[in-house]
Amino acid sequence: EAGVTQFPSHSVIEKGQTVTLRCDPISGHDNLYWYRRVMGKEIKFLLHFVKESKQDESGMPNNRFLAERTGGTYSTLKVQPAELEDSGVYFCASSPGRLGTLSSSYEQYFGPGTRLTVT
Amino acid sequence: AQKITQTQPGMFVQEKEAVTLDCTYDTSDQSYGLFWYKQPSSGEMIFLIYQGSYDEQNATEGRYSLNFQKARKSANLVISASQLGDSAMYFCAMRAGMNTGFQKLVFGTGTRLLVSP
Repeated sequence: EAGVTQFPSHSVIEKGQTVTLRCDPISGHDNLYWYRRVMGKEIKFLLHFVKESKQDESGMPNNRFLAERTGGTYSTLKVQPAELEDSGVYFCASSPGRLGTLSSSYEQYFGPGTRLTVT
Repeated sequence: AQKITQTQPGMFVQEKEAVTLDCTYDTSDQSYGLFWYKQPSSGEMIFLIYQGSYDEQNATEGRYSLNFQKARKSANLVISASQLGDSAMYFCAMRAGMNTGFQKLVFGTGTRLLVSP
């Protein structure tokens, strides 16, 4: 079974440009999450999709960030226009857990991340 | 609000020795889960171990065990018989509200473990 994949692995853009990150979750996983780690700081939650719906987007830093998950499969995270403070590693994770089930761990499977550098 | 604290930015251990990575947490929820992830230099996040707040036994997975002390709100990771391949960044994380919509993980800042020969 393929794991969570992310593309690109690394992106270097100039301030003001647009970048789109892509995440392909594990097949069949309804839950998809985006996280971000800014250099030296903790990994922070950005948002959570259940299928194609945004369940929780409380971590999105501002309206320059737009996430979509068309058809409930892959997801994209667009940053427009990018700022210097957006640099960091963006992780995507997926999980099969459904509310009300007895899934004990709700483990989230992480992708390898996309390293974004804004210059 | 949930918070995870990892006070050890870096730890050193010799091969074959045991090491404990500290993690304390803060939450007002009664039901929550605690996770440890490993991030090697290649960048991927690897799930290691999980402890539910209602689990009476400490979780164990091979050489990993979680020393869960609920009253002290600590969930330390113990790695026995360290191996060179254990050198990595380790993150403690918490998920609150086990049967609610709150599935996001809250992470600590991580501990970098270096295993020497």
